[in-house]
Amino acid sequence: GAVVSQHPSWVICKSGTSVKIECRSLDFQATTMFWYRQFPKQSLMLMATSNEGSKATYEQGVEKDKFLINHASLTLSTLTVTSAHPEDSSFYICSARGVGTYEQYFGPGTRLTVT
Amino acid sequence: EDQVTQSPEALRLQEGESSSLNCSYTVSGLRGLFWYRQDPGKGPEFLFTLYSAGEEKEKERLKATLTKKESFLHITAPKPEDSATYLCAVQASGGSNYKLTFGKGTLLTVNP
Repeated sequence: GAVVSQHPSWVICKSGTSVKIECRSLDFQATTMFWYRQFPKQSLMLMATSNEGSKATYEQGVEKDKFLINHASLTLSTLTVTSAHPEDSSFYICSARGVGTYEQYFGPGTRLTVT
Repeated sequence: EDQVTQSPEALRLQEGESSSLNCSYTVSGLRGLFWYRQDPGKGPEFLFTLYSAGEEKEKERLKATLTKKESFLHITAPKPEDSATYLCAVQASGGSNYKLTFGKGTLLTVNP
């Protein structure tokens, strides 16, 4: 149980284009979903928290107009990186928290490379 | 501000050589302390949640314990497949904020 998927697992895009990453909770309803970014050999950095049907809450220093988050249902959240630049290249990981629970279950991650 | 410090940064063990990883934390009020395992290029895999001092949880060769200031992840007779980065995170109590504050992790390598 508590399986979270992400799609795509890796993506290469050109500078200036936008890319969308999907995060799905497959066998539970996710009240809250989180988006993280991870640089090589570093720990996870929380980017934003989203609750179903509400606007996302962004961490300090994260541009909300650049990283658009939508949490339209209890099983799906999307992260859109707009006007991507090479410095946006990173490993993006989502997690989901089930109704009435505290644990976060993580997806497998999406490797984004911007050329 | 919540803080999590993990030590050591890296640990090399021989297969069968038991050891412990440390996670020290400061948090205004602890809702839960979480241990995850992360393999290279993958998302973290949930291992344990500990809620109160004195609590212990076990899974196969892993045992997690919690005090008011730190948590230990004990690895008994490790195998090469236990090689991974182990992450500790805390969640503060109060309100509807369920954010996790992560430590930098301990990279464990188990040699055959």
